[in-house]
Amino acid sequence: QVQLQESGPGLVKPSETLSLTCTVSGASMNSYYWNWIRQPPGKGLEWIGYAFHSGATKYSPSLKSRVSISVDTSRNQFSLRLNSVTAADTALYYCAKWSERYNAFDIWGRGTMVTASS
Amino acid sequence: VLTQSPGTLSLSPGERATLSCWASQSVSSSYLTWYQQKPGQAPRLVIYGASSRATGIPDRFSGSGSGTDFTLTISRLEPEDSAVYYCQHYGTSPVTFGGGTKVEIK
Repeated sequence: QVQLQESGPGLVKPSETLSLTCTVSGASMNSYYWNWIRQPPGKGLEWIGYAFHSGATKYSPSLKSRVSISVDTSRNQFSLRLNSVTAADTALYYCAKWSERYNAFDIWGRGTMVTASS
Repeated sequence: VLTQSPGTLSLSPGERATLSCWASQSVSSSYLTWYQQKPGQAPRLVIYGASSRATGIPDRFSGSGSGTDFTLTISRLEPEDSAVYYCQHYGTSPVTFGGGTKVEIK
């Protein structure tokens, strides 16, 4: 059974860098596209980007200049870095696995809340 | 851009719910997905490929549509169907979500 678990600081100061990690169990990191998706309080879902084990990445055009996603297959983890955060980056951050079988996000973590505030 | 309507649907148990998702340009049905999100939970895959039910999803859920118009239908609402439903597409953007439809059970 594939499971994802997000971890990282719940509070980030404006202008600083948000860093989160997603730990994967039950699946090989050498397959699948590993994604980050966020949800501001009371709002809808926003895709941030994905990384593949090869190092290939793709990001949302609106966040591309500030975001980086990487995969560490040795630790069964993938990570998100978002630079120069503002209050608008306050959200529940989910990691999710993309399934090429379904062409959909079939496994999600439970999410971790990050607040950008001084 | 994916636009969902209505914003909120309030129906009684046993009634039929029809949720719409419109794309600003024609999209591939193979990459049109519906998710269910209950309060305090992560989204859950409901329908993939516009019309295929995901594992464990009851057969009262069905998806249809093509091109720019897609529909999620819940044939006989149960209290546990109360949730926000999102459509999502993978394409050139490459990933976009609709704004969601909240289904309330009276």
